[in-house]
Amino acid sequence: DTAVSQTPKYLVTQMGNDKSIKCEQNLGHDTMYWYKQDSKKFLKIMFSYNNKELIINETVPNRFSPKSPDKAHLNLHINSLELGDSAVYFCASSPPNIGTPTSYGYTFGSGTRLTVV
Amino acid sequence: QKEVEQNSGPLSVPEGAIASLNCTYSDRGSQSFFWYRQYSGKSPELIMFIYSNGDKEDGRFTAQLNKASQYVSLLIRDSQPSDSATYLCAVQDTGRRALTFGSGTRLQVQP
Repeated sequence: DTAVSQTPKYLVTQMGNDKSIKCEQNLGHDTMYWYKQDSKKFLKIMFSYNNKELIINETVPNRFSPKSPDKAHLNLHINSLELGDSAVYFCASSPPNIGTPTSYGYTFGSGTRLTVV
Repeated sequence: QKEVEQNSGPLSVPEGAIASLNCTYSDRGSQSFFWYRQYSGKSPELIMFIYSNGDKEDGRFTAQLNKASQYVSLLIRDSQPSDSATYLCAVQDTGRRALTFGSGTRLQVQP
């Protein structure tokens, strides 16, 4: 019954490898996001998709490539992993009315802790 | 560069006291403001959101917004040890759905 589910929860990999993180939401939301949280707890947006269309693409190395096959899924593929990519990656989703009086903001997934060694 | 600023803390209060968490933001056009609580090793969870100037109360939590001063605060009354967490302020960016987060304030409630 998980609302926003991410897999895997933990990912330990060597530098130079390619890895993917998957995210799925069953809330009927139309927008999904990827955020990166560094060791100082700072959450920084990376990408956002609205109904499968990329609407936000922040300054992120092009080794990171999101893919949204449908509005309930948003995956993140990372090529040539580097030590600095180690962080917790959160997927989130939001309904169409975010920012309105009836909005409830984002719902976050449980996060993927990526460790690059 | 839009910014959301929070004091990183830790803010330490005794059990039963009022905890006051503050946040300032740089984008004067921001419309909606959110407070999230994040326990160590967990994902952020929404506590409150506010979009009008003034106060909004929900149980032990009160969010306060002053758009003229670009200031948002969260008051937690009758603080409990279970309130010990990092509190993240988030502001909805003008013209888009994305939220910009502050770096969070760590709250410690001492039994």
